[in-house]
Amino acid sequence: DQQVKQNSPSLSVQEGRISILNCDYTNSMFDYFLWYKKYPAEGPTFLISISSIKDKNEDGRFTVFLNKSAKHLSLHIVPSQPGDSAVYFCAASDADSNYQLIWGAGTKLIIKP
Amino acid sequence: EAGVAQSPRYKIIEKRQSVAFWCNPISGHATLYWYQQILGQGPKLLIQFQNNGVVDDSQLPKDRFSAERLKGVDSTLKIQPAKLEDSAVYLCASSLGSKTQYFGPGTRLLVL
Repeated sequence: DQQVKQNSPSLSVQEGRISILNCDYTNSMFDYFLWYKKYPAEGPTFLISISSIKDKNEDGRFTVFLNKSAKHLSLHIVPSQPGDSAVYFCAASDADSNYQLIWGAGTKLIIKP
Repeated sequence: EAGVAQSPRYKIIEKRQSVAFWCNPISGHATLYWYQQILGQGPKLLIQFQNNGVVDDSQLPKDRFSAERLKGVDSTLKIQPAKLEDSAVYLCASSLGSKTQYFGPGTRLLVL
């Protein structure tokens, strides 16, 4: 039973354009969501998070949008840069589970020069 | 601020051998996690410590895996005996008690 789904295994985007990575979840109790970025042979790096009381959070080129009614969140990267090429993981958590992270399978983002 | 440290970075062993991984969390972080990540999947939580107490080890295969966090700082994860299916990346993460976890570089284990 996958509670967090990233349905696109990979995504290719032209440098300078917008990258949009999507994530769906099934558990309505989730109240905190995170995006991590992972380069090969490195651990995941925290990117940005959002609480369920918000519908948008922005940090530089990265914006996360949360649609609670659709149980959907997305990460927008504008403009996309070659260094953004990595695997992006969506994770969700809730207070009842001590904020243990439930992870998606990841989306590999490739930025084309 | 130093990040989460892990060693070794890579380990190759034969099945039925034992192996140990070490983690030093970010200074002051009370919560420490061990994850197993298989290629193409998100990390799977093995065990969570709060200081030196275990919060959750429900997904730790206790017949072969063990972990400890003496003095509430460093932690070791041991596998004995290793199986082929244990080949994975073992990640350590820590948090200050907030909702955000910070990860180390991981230990890539190959069991032959």
